[in-house]
Amino acid sequence: GENVEQHPSTLSVQEGDSAVIKCTYSDSASNYFPWYKQELGKRPQLIIDIRSNVGEKKDQRIAVTLNKTAKHFSLHITETQPEDSAVYFCAAIPYNNNDMRFGAGTRLTVKP
Amino acid sequence: DGGITQSPKYLFRKEGQNVTLSCEQNLNHDAMYWYRQDPGQGLRLIYYSQIVNDFQKGDIAEGYSVSREKKESFPLTVTSAQKNPTAFYLCASSIGTHNEQFFGPGTRLTVL
Repeated sequence: GENVEQHPSTLSVQEGDSAVIKCTYSDSASNYFPWYKQELGKRPQLIIDIRSNVGEKKDQRIAVTLNKTAKHFSLHITETQPEDSAVYFCAAIPYNNNDMRFGAGTRLTVKP
Repeated sequence: DGGITQSPKYLFRKEGQNVTLSCEQNLNHDAMYWYRQDPGQGLRLIYYSQIVNDFQKGDIAEGYSVSREKKESFPLTVTSAQKNPTAFYLCASSIGTHNEQFFGPGTRLTVL
């Protein structure tokens, strides 16, 4: 089955800097890659997703890039703010499978 | 945040007892999921259901059981066979298995 690895496990940046979180996946059949944000004590919420027919997607300060050849995808947050502090999870699911696999998470801390 | 609810928020169980966690959604979603969240391990899939009266095992189904008698409801039973049940349990639903998942607020189960 699919295996998703996420790095780094913790990331600390200064407010205004950029943050990048990377994930690799094992199953070349994966075609949907969502990113979830989980603030402390709250439920995970989708912040951005990308499908395998595009290489990049942007939504204001958040972008996701996908490299199908290398089987990795990344989350980019620009101009970070303290409210970006949370745990971020990547996930992947193959087109021929209904079992979404999540990365272990990255705890992002944005220092004011 | 509305649309998918879980109860109770906190649950305490004695060893050897079965407990059932509730998950209800009014989003008219076909697919529903149960995840277990442990520190540093991301979200691990216990069971998922694509349609009423059908469900599939995830990665860590041993010691758990589910039912899907109604579209809106997907209860999870943690049986005494689950060796280490203390964890945070999240329920989710989606239109389809390759779409955004909406999470409930979670149930924290503690075995005494």
